[in-house]
This record gives sequence, C-alpha cells and structure tokens, in this order.
Amino acid sequence: KAGVTQTPRYLIKTRGQQVTLSCSPISGHRSVSWYQQTPGQGLQFLFEYFSETQRNKGNFPGRFSGRQFSNSRSEMNVSTLELGDSALYLCASSLGGSFSQETQYFGPGTRLLVL
Amino acid sequence: DQQVKQNSPSLSVQEGRISILNCDYTNSMFDYFLWYKKYPAEGPTFLISISSIKDKNEDGRFTVFLNKSAKHLSLHIVPSQPGDSAVYFCAATRYQGGKLIFGQGTELSVKP
Repeated sequence: KAGVTQTPRYLIKTRGQQVTLSCSPISGHRSVSWYQQTPGQGLQFLFEYFSETQRNKGNFPGRFSGRQFSNSRSEMNVSTLELGDSALYLCASSLGGSFSQETQYFGPGTRLLVL
Repeated sequence: DQQVKQNSPSLSVQEGRISILNCDYTNSMFDYFLWYKKYPAEGPTFLISISSIKDKNEDGRFTVFLNKSAKHLSLHIVPSQPGDSAVYFCAATRYQGGKLIFGQGTELSVKP
C-alpha cells in the first residue's frame, strides 16, 4: 500500500505570493491533518479534515486554509506569504477515528522557503 | 501557549547506554500521550503511546513513563543504538478525540 504523498517536495516563493500544497492520503484513509514544523516550535497543528469537512483547527491566521476532496486528497493554501511561513509542512492521514485509537501516518513534507 | 513542552532541544548518549527524553504538558484534559520519531527528509513515525490510566508502557527497548500529578512523561531507550539518532516528538491528545498537540522535539544523537 502506498504511503502518504506530498507535492511538491520543495518550493521557493516570495513575500506576498500565495502557495498551494497537496497531500494524497493512504488509500482508505479519510482523515488528513496538516502540521507546520519550524525549529524551536516543533510540530504545530494547522487543521484536520474528515469527509471533506474541517473537524479540528489550530491557532493559525486565516491566511492558512485547506480543503479536502471527495477522494480524501487534501490541499493547503497559504495566501500573502510572510518570511515566517518558511517551514516544513507535513500532512498525516488516518482512518478517521480519534488519534488515540489509530495511528497517523505522515508524509515526507513540503519544504517551503519564503524570500 | 505551548501546551506540550520538550525543554531539551538535544541529547547526546553513548551507544549501549540509556537515553531519557522528557516531556511536560500543561493541559490537564490530555489523557493520551504519544511519541513520534523523525529522521531527516522523512515524516514522523509513531513509536509508542500511553493512556492516562497507566503509568508505564513498554515496547521492546522503548518504555514510556507517565507521572500525571507532575504532568510529565518520559521516554526511555535501553540500550541506545546509533540507529536511534533522530528527532523525538512527544504529543498529547484527548482519548475521545481532538487535536494532536506536539512538543518542540528533542534531537537524540547516539555515538558509537
């Protein structure tokens, strides 16, 4: 079974631009979560989608948004990029139950650099 | 507000010795805790977890201890191996569901 895939793997943007990242979950998984990893802050939860609906949300500004399609693939969008948005963006998929009852499987991440 | 904290950014241990990674949390609603391991250029992978109804969970060389009164958990790796060198994240959530909140990570280096 194929793992979680994320595209693109690397991205360079300039301040003010917007970016869309894509995540394809493991087949059969209906939950997709997004995280931002930065040095010193660790992994910060952005949001979780389940069956095309946002189920949980972290404390990020509205510039960060996401969506999930009927095939469970998910996209994350960041508008009006700032230098501080430079980070590794990770997505993780699971069947859809609580995180205590199922393992989340992470993709390799998209490395975003904002200049 | 960092609800899950790993105060040691790095730890260096000799091969064969014990590695102890620590994690503190502030939210008393958390009742389920997990450890993830991350190698460079890969996503984190699940390592071990513990429910708040237990104070210890063991899986091979890995043992997680939970001290609810101190809101503290630790991961013990015995014996440590060079392949254990990675960044370790602790995470917390509620058993019934909710967000998974991660700490900042501790980079473990196991020297041969």
